[in-house]
Amino acid sequence: DAGVIQSPRHEVTEMGQEVTLRCKPISGHNSLFWYRQTMMRGLELLIYFNNNVPIDDSGMPEDRFSAKMPNASFSTLKIQPSEPRDSAVYFCASGVQREITDTQYFGPGTRLTVL
Amino acid sequence: LAKTTQPISMDSYEGQEVNITCSHNNIATNDYITWYQQFPSQGPRFIIQGYKTKVTNEVASLFIPADRKSSTLSLPRVSLSDTAVYYCLVGDNAGNNRKLIWGLGTSLAVNP
Repeated sequence: DAGVIQSPRHEVTEMGQEVTLRCKPISGHNSLFWYRQTMMRGLELLIYFNNNVPIDDSGMPEDRFSAKMPNASFSTLKIQPSEPRDSAVYFCASGVQREITDTQYFGPGTRLTVL
Repeated sequence: LAKTTQPISMDSYEGQEVNITCSHNNIATNDYITWYQQFPSQGPRFIIQGYKTKVTNEVASLFIPADRKSSTLSLPRVSLSDTAVYYCLVGDNAGNNRKLIWGLGTSLAVNP
């Protein structure tokens, strides 16, 4: 299995631009997580999908952030408009969730820099 | 909300045993305790998970006392490649949704 696939691996954009991050979970997994990691705040859960349905989006920082999971094999995290404080590494993880703390398999991350 | 507390950093030497303790005073009855490892420029990777007492796998051991308010990850005979950040994770049944609470992680440096 190729594992969780994220694209792009690196993204540099200017403030105000729209940014779309993509994730392909491991086949057969029914849960998908989006995380943001910074030095100051550590690893933060942004949103959690189960069977393509958003279960908990309370970690999404504000309306500029949105996430979709149109099918079991694809998810996007969109930031519009982007701001410099959004600069971080964004991770996608997937798993077969019976309990929320069941094992998650992380992708390599997307390093976002907003100038 | 439940909260986990770990030491910010630890130093060790090759061949030593390393124990990292995580405090989770408000752990819920059904919660499991999970530890992840993260190398630079990579996503976290599952190490071990347990509910109570002791769990051992080929990588580490996890010790959980009877009250489950803390847990200790034990890495036997560490090597330079064990230099990483280690996260303790427990679930938190907050209201109608369950939240994942990650600790800030413990940065382990293994020296030659």
